[in-house]
Amino acid sequence: NAGVTQTPKFQVLKTGQSMTLQCAQDMNHEYMSWYRQDPGMGLRLIHYSVGAGITDQGEVPNGYNVSRSTTEDFPLRLLSAAPSQTSVYFCASRKGQILEAFFGQGTRLTVV
Amino acid sequence: GQQVMQIPQYQHVQEGEDFTTYCNSSTTLSNIQWYKQRPGGHPVFLIQLVKSGEVKKQKRLTFQFGEAKKNSSLHITATQTTDVGTYFCAGPRSGGSNYKLTFGKGTLLTVNP
Repeated sequence: NAGVTQTPKFQVLKTGQSMTLQCAQDMNHEYMSWYRQDPGMGLRLIHYSVGAGITDQGEVPNGYNVSRSTTEDFPLRLLSAAPSQTSVYFCASRKGQILEAFFGQGTRLTVV
Repeated sequence: GQQVMQIPQYQHVQEGEDFTTYCNSSTTLSNIQWYKQRPGGHPVFLIQLVKSGEVKKQKRLTFQFGEAKKNSSLHITATQTTDVGTYFCAGPRSGGSNYKLTFGKGTLLTVNP
């Protein structure tokens, strides 16, 4: 099993550009989430999904969109990149509500 | 909203010394999880605690869940350089839903060999 796969690993964007961070898992997990990690801030939840077709906002959703058309994929879209979105982004998946989360390798995004 | 507070933010120890990080919640948690993130890596699950007063051990690591299920700790005995990393606790959002897994800010452990 590949687990949780994120692409790309690194990305540099110009302010105002849009892009999609990809996340795929092959473990048939129902729950998927996107977090951003900034120095001293821990992991903050952006959006999450409890199954195909169902998404909801986390703590810091502004500037990001998600969709969940399949169980496997949970892409994160930056609509108009801003320097404040410079961060490391992690996708995570879980089989059930109280089970462990598996994280992808992360995407390091820089917005200039 | 409910937050999971973690202290200390940083801890530097000499190899062989013990280390403890604490996690506190303003509300009762149904469960708490602990993760480790190596420098440049991604968080990796260590353990989950569910029962009040629960204590679990993994080699030199001891995890505790408070009697009131509002706090938890991770203790490492005789640290080694391989223990370097950031340790996070995580719990579900208040209101009963376990969908949102909320992380503390983490404790960065550095070990001087």
